[in-house]
Amino acid sequence: RKEVEQDPGPFNVPEGATVAFNCTYSNSASQSFFWYRQDCRKEPKLLMSVYSSGNEDGRFTAQLNRASQYISLLIRDSKLSDSATYLCVVRASGGYQKVTFGTGTKLQVIP
Amino acid sequence: EAGVTQFPSHSVIEKGQTVTLRCDPISGHDNLYWYRRVMGKEIKFLLHFVKESKQDESGMPNNRFLAERTGGTYSTLKVQPAELEDSGVYFCASSQDWWDRGGLAGSPFFGPGTRLTVL
Repeated sequence: RKEVEQDPGPFNVPEGATVAFNCTYSNSASQSFFWYRQDCRKEPKLLMSVYSSGNEDGRFTAQLNRASQYISLLIRDSKLSDSATYLCVVRASGGYQKVTFGTGTKLQVIP
Repeated sequence: EAGVTQFPSHSVIEKGQTVTLRCDPISGHDNLYWYRRVMGKEIKFLLHFVKESKQDESGMPNNRFLAERTGGTYSTLKVQPAELEDSGVYFCASSQDWWDRGGLAGSPFFGPGTRLTVL
């Protein structure tokens, strides 16, 4: 089983739709969680950190479920510019700086 | 503010040759990371520098890869000799703080990557 798993998609959604992605992780000692966004042939960029209580940034909401070992990303009112690959990133505990990336979920927002 | 820069953007070499990739982190960022993404796979950690010291090089695939960060500024990643399976995109990233601090200070900023093709 992979350390971090994501549905590769693609998720094709119309503009204005709400879409959600999940990411599961296998290491129960994982401490920090992030969502990165990567546009085609570009570098990953931090979208948001994921906090235990869940957090929201505009149209984006991130949730953490430690019991089931997954994090989620919800995008409301999808825009064409949201089309990208969304990478789940997980860091283990103990001041350990090595992180594990998921393969990413591709989102295509359609006019 | 200038972001993380990498050179070259593309490199095509033959198996057995040597290639050196360069990364210039954001000024003031003590933490510098190298990552690699091979075709169809996830981005994988290679190593982490804090200033000029290698903090963690557990992700380096084998001894054909050598990373340096002289003076704690820019870093180089040398592959010698290159093999076909080394093809991929090599990303460098830098941060002020460590990942576990969270937020913008802890989460690295990535460079545009170097696309390496070994023929």
